[in-house]
Amino acid sequence: AQSVTQLGSHVSVSEGALVLLRCNYSSSVPPYLFWYVQYPNQGLQLLLKYTSAATLVKGINGFEAEFKKSETSFHLTKPSAHMSDAAEYFCAVRSNDYKLSFGAGTTVTVRA
Amino acid sequence: DVKVTQSSRYLVKRTGEKVFLECVQDMDHENMFWYRQDPGLGLRLIYFSYDVKMKEKGDIPEGYSVSREKKERFSLILESASTNQTSMYLCASSSLGEAGETDTQYFGPGTRLTVL
Repeated sequence: AQSVTQLGSHVSVSEGALVLLRCNYSSSVPPYLFWYVQYPNQGLQLLLKYTSAATLVKGINGFEAEFKKSETSFHLTKPSAHMSDAAEYFCAVRSNDYKLSFGAGTTVTVRA
Repeated sequence: DVKVTQSSRYLVKRTGEKVFLECVQDMDHENMFWYRQDPGLGLRLIYFSYDVKMKEKGDIPEGYSVSREKKERFSLILESASTNQTSMYLCASSSLGEAGETDTQYFGPGTRLTVL
């Protein structure tokens, strides 16, 4: 069975600082991995996804994630945080039957 | 753009009431999903459907049922609402995708249900 662990339920960064959100996965098959973002009072929006074509995946809003098989990780980064990045972020892994298993989420706050 | 709509943003019901949550997608997606979202638990899958009139239990189906009479519509039913079903409910849809490709789930805005 596939599962995801997000390290840190809450991350606080200064505006302009690096954002790093950690995600480790467990999968018995080559994983399909996703990062979603949820802004307050909204549904989830796809940030990026790993399709096995490249280990470094670029997404929307300046985010990127690197797939590291040896570490079973798919950490999300953004070089310079913006106030608009304040949201909750979810890592997810897809199983063979199209279901997603989500992590518990990481809330990002950005300090001015 | 894919659009997934949910019938209500906020809903308040009383214990024991029958509750219907509706979800409609406009991209002819085969797959549809219902999740509940609770703080610290992320999203948990309640039910999903691969096609019209087909349904599969997710991780937490107890106390819920679903209906998919048309491809674009997937309904979540709480037969007898209880206070522990107070939560945010999210609907999503996805296509089957080509072999070897990943499919993206597109989410609705959510329904925040409060059961008193």
